[in-house]
Amino acid sequence: QSALTQPPSASGSPGQSVTISCTGTSSDVGGYNYVSWYQQHPGKAPKLMIYEVTKRPSGVPDRFSGSKSGNTASLTVSGLQAEDEADYYCSSYAGSNNSGVFGTGTKVTVL
Amino acid sequence: EVQLVESGGAVVQPGGSLRLSCAASGFTFDDYAMHWVRQAPGKGLEWVSLISWDGGTTYYAASWKGRFTISRDNSKNSLYLQMNSLRPEDTALYYCAKEFYFGSGTYYTFDYWGQGTLVTVSS
Repeated sequence: QSALTQPPSASGSPGQSVTISCTGTSSDVGGYNYVSWYQQHPGKAPKLMIYEVTKRPSGVPDRFSGSKSGNTASLTVSGLQAEDEADYYCSSYAGSNNSGVFGTGTKVTVL
Repeated sequence: EVQLVESGGAVVQPGGSLRLSCAASGFTFDDYAMHWVRQAPGKGLEWVSLISWDGGTTYYAASWKGRFTISRDNSKNSLYLQMNSLRPEDTALYYCAKEFYFGSGTYYTFDYWGQGTLVTVSS
């Protein structure tokens, strides 16, 4: 199962929006609505930000939103804040392979 | 409060073995599948293995199938990963992670993570 493809980096000024893409195949991202997104600050464990493509767990700000079109999922962070600077990973269920797969990760920088 | 605490990481020689443990608390452990996810130094996340709520079903990423064995003891609220024939490329921080979905639903969504335990494979 190959890793999902994310851009290595993305950036924006405070208050702006940034969108991160996550490209897979019809066997993972395109085949199921079980795409999730994780935020990881340096030296910390990942944190679930989005699940089932668009849903936010309790406590996650509504500045974070998810979407999907075909084999590509996206995470948008609106109203960027300094604390949003982190690495972000997508993940997808790949049912036919009885496995899960992560994206390559994107470092978001708040300018 | 959900807590996952990994232990067992160490420096081990190539070809050696190691058993990682994860102690869970703050939720009904035997209601959820559990996962191991790893992160090599400076690299991304990689899913390693899944075990169902009752331990009856296990899955592995192809890279580790045959060398790693996942297990759980629901009476001790504990998850394990037995790692054999370790290679330098197995050097990583190993996280245990809780499946988001209750019961037999396993969709590789991880809602709680431990802080990880570091495995270093080096001679």
